Amino acid sequence: DVKVTQSSRYLVKRTGEKVFLECVQDMDHENMFWYRQDPGLGLRLIYFSYDVKMKEKGDIPEGYSVSREKKERFSLILESASTNQTSMYLCGTSPSGGAVTEAFFGQGTRLTVV
Amino acid sequence: GQSLEQPSEVTAVEGAIVQINCTYQTSGFYGLSWYQQHDGGAPTFLSYNALDGLEETGRFSSFLSRSDSYGYLLLQELQMKDSASYFCAYSTPLVFGKGTRLSVIA
Repeated sequence: DVKVTQSSRYLVKRTGEKVFLECVQDMDHENMFWYRQDPGLGLRLIYFSYDVKMKEKGDIPEGYSVSREKKERFSLILESASTNQTSMYLCGTSPSGGAVTEAFFGQGTRLTVV
Repeated sequence: GQSLEQPSEVTAVEGAIVQINCTYQTSGFYGLSWYQQHDGGAPTFLSYNALDGLEETGRFSSFLSRSDSYGYLLLQELQMKDSASYFCAYSTPLVFGKGTRLSVIA
């Protein structure tokens, strides 16, 4: 079974802090994604990566950056956390091959910025 | 622009059949997939359609019409455990609709 592990289930940070959300997968998948999920808005794509050191902006990249130094690890960085970044963050992964046919997700990190 | 539209809520009776529709608009399309998410849980993959037609997996079926930019998820023999949110998504990359909350009632 594919395992996608997010470093924290719950996180509370202060406004202005730099926040790191870590995601590790154990299935050698090329594709990795970061989404945020808010009630009534579904999952919105923040960033995705097709390979190590490669990244592409999704629909809502503002205020976020990412890092992928190793294939199995994809980090989401909030440069200066703000209260409107309070949300559930989901990391996903999928095998390579052009189209994303099936994605696997971690359990999510619920981030609260106070 | 790019978007997916699906109903926000659906209620159905245990044992019945329910269909959740999804229309999409995108300049690049590889296929349509469906995910289930229970409250507090991670989204889990249900099905993927790259070509027109019906794909069946047990009680769940998914349909795609590329010419109509339309798809649906069909759930048969509904069970209480099917109460969850269902998301359609197109690739690539994976872009999700806002989700349909299905409530199965006795």
